[in-house]
Amino acid sequence: GEDVEQSLFLSVREGDSSVINCTYTDSSSTYLYWYKQEPGAGLQLLTYIFSNMDMKQDQRLTVLLNKKDKHLSLRIADTQTGDSAIYFCAEPNSGGYQKVTFGTGTKLQVIP
Amino acid sequence: EPEVTQTPSHQVTQMGQEVILRCVPISNHLYFYWYRQILGQKVEFLVSFYNNEISEKSEIFDDQFSVERPDGSNFTLKIRSTKLEDSAMYFCASRAGSTDTQYFGPGTRLTVL
Repeated sequence: GEDVEQSLFLSVREGDSSVINCTYTDSSSTYLYWYKQEPGAGLQLLTYIFSNMDMKQDQRLTVLLNKKDKHLSLRIADTQTGDSAIYFCAEPNSGGYQKVTFGTGTKLQVIP
Repeated sequence: EPEVTQTPSHQVTQMGQEVILRCVPISNHLYFYWYRQILGQKVEFLVSFYNNEISEKSEIFDDQFSVERPDGSNFTLKIRSTKLEDSAMYFCASRAGSTDTQYFGPGTRLTVL
């Protein structure tokens, strides 16, 4: 079955860039997601990238996809304290109903 | 912007009681899902629902669980006899079509005492 792996914790200083990494197993996914979960809150779709793209940029967010290595990363430029949250990499399975498999989540701590 | 809503935000129940968690998916969406997240753990898939029937379910989704779309707007998850280990955050999600992204609700925190 699908498996999505992430490092558990990342600490950065405010103003620095954060890079959150993810590896996945299902190479046939149409796209891959990044979700953000703030403490006690739900899952916010942050961004996604189609599998035929290598890079997607959206304001402070840059998503890089290396299909050969099945590696996905999320870069947050000029990280702010409001970016402190858990970030989940996720992939929909390639079956018709596309349940989403989530990674373990990376807790980003931004130090003022 | 349309969003998925869930009620209640927090439900406390006694072990053995039945609970119903409610979701209102985005109105033109056709695919519906429930996920759960036990505190400190991964978000896990429970069930998907399409065309008024379950399309896929996980091993977690045993006979104690059921889903229903009783009308054109609500999507519910029922747990017949809650156990302590059912305590988790339950997320509803919906998707418009076969190539679209899933949008998640804010979750219902279920606490079983």
